[in-house]
Amino acid sequence: AQTVTQSQPEMSVQEAETVTLSCTYDTSENNYYLFWYKQPPSRQMILVIRQEAYKQQNATENRFSVNFQKAAKSFSLKISDSQLGDTAMYFCAFMKPGNTDKLIFGTGTRLQVFP
Amino acid sequence: KAGVTQTPRYLIKTRGQQVTLSCSPISGHRSVSWYQQTPGQGLQFLFEYFSETQRNKGNFPGRFSGRQFSNSRSEMNVSTLELGDSALYLCASRMDNPPGELFFGEGSRLTVL
Repeated sequence: AQTVTQSQPEMSVQEAETVTLSCTYDTSENNYYLFWYKQPPSRQMILVIRQEAYKQQNATENRFSVNFQKAAKSFSLKISDSQLGDTAMYFCAFMKPGNTDKLIFGTGTRLQVFP
Repeated sequence: KAGVTQTPRYLIKTRGQQVTLSCSPISGHRSVSWYQQTPGQGLQFLFEYFSETQRNKGNFPGRFSGRQFSNSRSEMNVSTLELGDSALYLCASRMDNPPGELFFGEGSRLTVL
């Protein structure tokens, strides 16, 4: 069975600074997808970034980038130039390929961005 | 384009009762999935539907059920409610591709007393 571990329950960062959220996972699959989702205090979950395991290049979306280390089964999220609006819970998630929407989530990291 | 709409947003039930939650996906999205979010267990997959067929199911007891209608709207039902069923129930929808880009609703907060 796949598992996703986020070892940082809470993080804080000053506005405009950079922060990295950690995620490790366990799977015997060779092909899969990894995601970072953001859940602001209003609760609506939003996709931040996705990574396909067969792609060696790390995904980037504006200020958000990942460091995907397939051999180490590590998938960290870097937020550059942090903004107050980045304050949220961040969930790392795993998905097997195929016809499914089943995401396996980590326990989340609560990120607080302060002025 | 309207987002994923879940109703009701909040509800309070007592043990033994049943509850039905509704989810209207984004127009054009045929896939709908449900997740339970609790402080103790985190986010757990309940089930997913595509074209009115249940495509996958999580490890929940049979008291949890769902269905999808021809217009892609989905409902989930929990019968014989237990205190532990108190949770935020999230619905998500997506287009056929790419995988994993789920669009979530704001959730239905269920409190069981």
